[in-house]
Amino acid sequence: KQEVTQIPAALSVPEGENLVLNCSFTDSAIYNLQWFRQDPGKGLTSLLLIQSSQREQTSGRLNASLDKSSGRSTLYIAASQPGDSATYLCAALLIGANSKLTFGKGITLSVRP
Amino acid sequence: SAVISQKPSRDICQRGTSLTIQCQVDSQVTMMFWYRQQPGQSLTLIATANQGSEATYESGFVIDKFPISRPNLTFSTLTVSNMSPEDSSIYLCSVRTSGYEQYFGPGTRLTVT
Repeated sequence: KQEVTQIPAALSVPEGENLVLNCSFTDSAIYNLQWFRQDPGKGLTSLLLIQSSQREQTSGRLNASLDKSSGRSTLYIAASQPGDSATYLCAALLIGANSKLTFGKGITLSVRP
Repeated sequence: SAVISQKPSRDICQRGTSLTIQCQVDSQVTMMFWYRQQPGQSLTLIATANQGSEATYESGFVIDKFPISRPNLTFSTLTVSNMSPEDSSIYLCSVRTSGYEQYFGPGTRLTVT
């Protein structure tokens, strides 16, 4: 059974700092790994999707990497801003028909002005 | 990508009543899902909504409590039946595209009094 872990559960940083959010998963037979952002009381916004054959994906100030062999993914946020404050979730999709996303519990990020 | 809308966005309901949540997608998708997110928790998959057939429920969720309809490839409904305060959650509709990327709707915030 796939397990996805995100540590720490919460993080507070000053504005402008570059930061790394970590995600680990136990089963490396994944189709892809996806990072989401969730604002309080809202739905999830897809940030980046990394296919299993890829090492990283970039979108603006965000860069996500994937190391299947070690069961790790990281989300790098450059020059953090108060507007980046949200909960960030990673989710892994196992290979197989009818496979479902397995989510981590998320990291709640607070960027202080 | 896929753009998902949900109705209602929020509701306050009395114990013992039922609420039907609608989910509309802007394109045809094969895989559609319903999730629940209880306060302070990560997402829990309720069921996969199958077009033209009965939904596939996850362990702990039953059709009598959470009936789902999926009349076509762009629309689904989830009913929360005989509600109790424990059903107070955010309910999220989600779809998976042919590229195996998953998108989420804005959520329906349900409070049961």
